[in-house]
Amino acid sequence: ETGVTQTPRHLVMGMTNKKSLKCEQHLGHNAMYWYKQSAKKPLELMFVYNFKEQTENNSVPSRFSPECPNSSHLFLHLHTLQPEDSALYLCASSPTSTAGNTIYFGEGSWLTVV
Amino acid sequence: AQSVTQPDIHITVSEGASLELRCNYSYGATPYLFWYVQSPGQGLQLLLKYFSGDTLVQGIKGFEAEFKRSQSSFNLRKPSVHWSDAAEYFCAVVERTGNQFYFGTGTSLTVIP
Repeated sequence: ETGVTQTPRHLVMGMTNKKSLKCEQHLGHNAMYWYKQSAKKPLELMFVYNFKEQTENNSVPSRFSPECPNSSHLFLHLHTLQPEDSALYLCASSPTSTAGNTIYFGEGSWLTVV
Repeated sequence: AQSVTQPDIHITVSEGASLELRCNYSYGATPYLFWYVQSPGQGLQLLLKYFSGDTLVQGIKGFEAEFKRSQSSFNLRKPSVHWSDAAEYFCAVVERTGNQFYFGTGTSLTVIP
């Protein structure tokens, strides 16, 4: 069991659906991240929040919408996704987002877009 | 451009044999260096990290890694592999003046009896 919990673990959605991924960290950290992991590609950083403020948006399409209501919770709202968005979405946290901090990952949410 | 290279996509070793997974990076200055492991269907777990000091770092599960500045490498090693070590291994770097992790594409490890 990790200190970063993601739900749901698996999600299948149609291209016209709206769904959300949830992440909660129990580590007392102030930075949270969304990464996308596709087969045979490096992990792609999507969003970074530091003390609830978004500090990084890595040119992510607007069909992905993050929300960070507090330092312990992070959401990824999904709408009108494409099949190529099918991937493992990993949430992570760290004490802060400055260099030198180790990031801790959740177990991921497997997303399949049909 | 900054990059992290894990030249071995897949490695197969026998249980009990030694293991070395390669990682090279291209940065001007020494970055912070990490190794993570991902078991099937799971997230990434930190194995070890190098920030400064002794270039040989010890991690969990009997792993170690050696930082070699002259080769821009941070190779992961284990003297005797166990079947439970079968997983995907990722090298990652962070610039000391930045905050973004750059991951390699990973090395998949298969352990045969």
